[in-house]
Amino acid sequence: QQQVKQSPQSLIVQKGGISIINCAYENTAFDYFPWYQQFPGKGPALLIAIRPDVSEKKEGRFTISFNKSAKQFSLHIMDSQPGDSATYFCAASWGAAGNKLTFGGGTRVLVKP
Amino acid sequence: DVKVTQSSRYLVKRTGEKVFLECVQDMDHENMFWYRQDPGLGLRLIYFSYDVKMKEKGDIPEGYSVSREKKERFSLILESASTNQTSMYLCLSGLSSEAFFGQGTRLTVV
Repeated sequence: QQQVKQSPQSLIVQKGGISIINCAYENTAFDYFPWYQQFPGKGPALLIAIRPDVSEKKEGRFTISFNKSAKQFSLHIMDSQPGDSATYFCAASWGAAGNKLTFGGGTRVLVKP
Repeated sequence: DVKVTQSSRYLVKRTGEKVFLECVQDMDHENMFWYRQDPGLGLRLIYFSYDVKMKEKGDIPEGYSVSREKKERFSLILESASTNQTSMYLCLSGLSSEAFFGQGTRLTVV
């Protein structure tokens, strides 16, 4: 079963626009929620992460919003740039399960100049 | 500089062959993971290891086995490769903010 559901599967945004990717999870024991960025031909790289004790975390143009009661979290990319074109994965893990990461299906983002 | 190295970028193997995918990390991590990546399915966990000679099944272990004889090396083995194992295989080393992926091995089984 897919414990982390990610949407949309793909996204096209104009340069300077906002990209929004949403994830929903089922397991309330999850306590770590990272986002990974993957460029073609490369392995995914950690972009930003949040723990459930905060509702928002911002790093530069990237922001995670976290809604514990709705079991949802999202990635916002502000002022999107062509260099942000990549595939983004949300994930979740919990310590008692050995911190195994469960990933969403991925979102391919294309930023048009 | 952090390094997780997978032995091959691209592999083409025949159906029924035994295939070895190697992953080496230089960060002294105890935890290592093998995932496969397929379009629309994201990354799915095949096997993981918390320590030398220790292994646990992930979500899709069927058709795979692993070996961890040394801390820095975690091998994924396809006992008898099949076409449905054509995929991108990714090794992950470490935990949380100290977790790093290798560059991936794209395996094609013909």
